[in-house]
Amino acid sequence: GENVEQHPSTLSVQEGDSAVIKCTYSDSASNYFPWYKQELGKRPQLIIDIRSNVGEKKDQRIAVTLNKTAKHFSLHITETQPEDSAVYFCAATSSGSARQLTFGSGTQLTVLP
Amino acid sequence: DAGVIQSPRHEVTEMGQEVTLRCKPISGHDYLFWYRQTMMRGLELLIYFNNNVPIDDSGMPEDRFSAKMPNASFSTLKIQPSEPRDSAVYFCASSPRLAEAFFGQGTRLTVV
Repeated sequence: GENVEQHPSTLSVQEGDSAVIKCTYSDSASNYFPWYKQELGKRPQLIIDIRSNVGEKKDQRIAVTLNKTAKHFSLHITETQPEDSAVYFCAATSSGSARQLTFGSGTQLTVLP
Repeated sequence: DAGVIQSPRHEVTEMGQEVTLRCKPISGHDYLFWYRQTMMRGLELLIYFNNNVPIDDSGMPEDRFSAKMPNASFSTLKIQPSEPRDSAVYFCASSPRLAEAFFGQGTRLTVV
């Protein structure tokens, strides 16, 4: 089955700096890669996703890149703000198969004011 | 739409007691998932249903855990008997597709 590894487990950045979280996956058949944000005491919520037919996707200060050859994808947050502090989870699956999402272990991002 | 609704939000129980967690998925979603979240193990998928039928329960840790979905708008996760190591946040999620998950607010379970 799919195995998703996520690094780093914790990340601290100064407000205004960029943050990058990286994930690798094992199943070359995976073609859908969402990212979830979980604020303290709240539910995980989808913030951005990417499908394997594109290499990069942006939404304001958030971007995700995908390298299918290397089987890794990354979340980039620019101009970080204190409200970006949360746990971020990557996930992977093959949307065309009978397989559910496999989540990474999460990254605790802290944006220091 | 109110989203996925879970109850209770918090549950404290004594070891050996039966615990029942409840979930109401988003209307029209054919998939329902139960996840467990702990610091040590992160987000673990316990079981998921498609059209009320359990499809994959390989993540259910032991026979003490059971889940049901009697209809499209209700599911339960039961632990009997509960143990301190079951303490975690349990999330229910639903989705129109297998490759997505819309999470509820979670139930924080503490077994003392």
